[in-house]
Amino acid sequence: DADVTQTPRNRITKTGKRIMLECSQTKGHDRMYWYRQDPGLGLRLIYYSFDVKDINKGEISDGYSVSRQAQAKFSLSLESAIPNQTALYFCATSALGTDTQYFGPGTRLTVL
Amino acid sequence: RKEVEQDPGPFNVPEGATVAFNCTYSNSASQSFFWYRQDCRKEPKLLMSVYSSGNEDGRFTAQLNRASQYISLLIRDSKLSDSATYLCAGGEEYGNKLVFGAGTILRVKS
Repeated sequence: DADVTQTPRNRITKTGKRIMLECSQTKGHDRMYWYRQDPGLGLRLIYYSFDVKDINKGEISDGYSVSRQAQAKFSLSLESAIPNQTALYFCATSALGTDTQYFGPGTRLTVL
Repeated sequence: RKEVEQDPGPFNVPEGATVAFNCTYSNSASQSFFWYRQDCRKEPKLLMSVYSSGNEDGRFTAQLNRASQYISLLIRDSKLSDSATYLCAGGEEYGNKLVFGAGTILRVKS
């Protein structure tokens, strides 16, 4: 079984809808991240959390919110989706003091 | 200017060739550097960490040049299976908040 899972894997929605992307991990890592990837722009950090009570904005947090429900779960919400939020979204985890981030398989989101 | 910049490529090389990618970073406070590999529509996976003294893993060699603020990745004896996008990343803390480049596409052809 994968150590970092994301649901859903694909989602098509309409402008104005609320969307939640979920991430779960079984690696026991404290640190979790949400990125979006767009062609030509690479991975950009949306939010990150260093433990359950810690939430930090990343480079592009506008239009997004997150919830760290438990050490193993980190959800990303789009309160009112817009077409330029169409992208590939990745969740990642890392352990304190290590140099490896482990990525989930990604969620492909299309906003019409 | 982007904080981490890469030549997007694509680099088209024959099997067996040696190919090198550079990645420049603008944040002089960056302390940790990495190369990730990403296959089409898949998640990035760590290829190598980049240390000041350089790092070699089989056919792959990574170097850091702090004076000129760039990191490099050298792939020797390219294989078809090396075809992928290579992302460089830098972070201020030890790997825990990274800024990624947009990636360099490598295509190895028989």
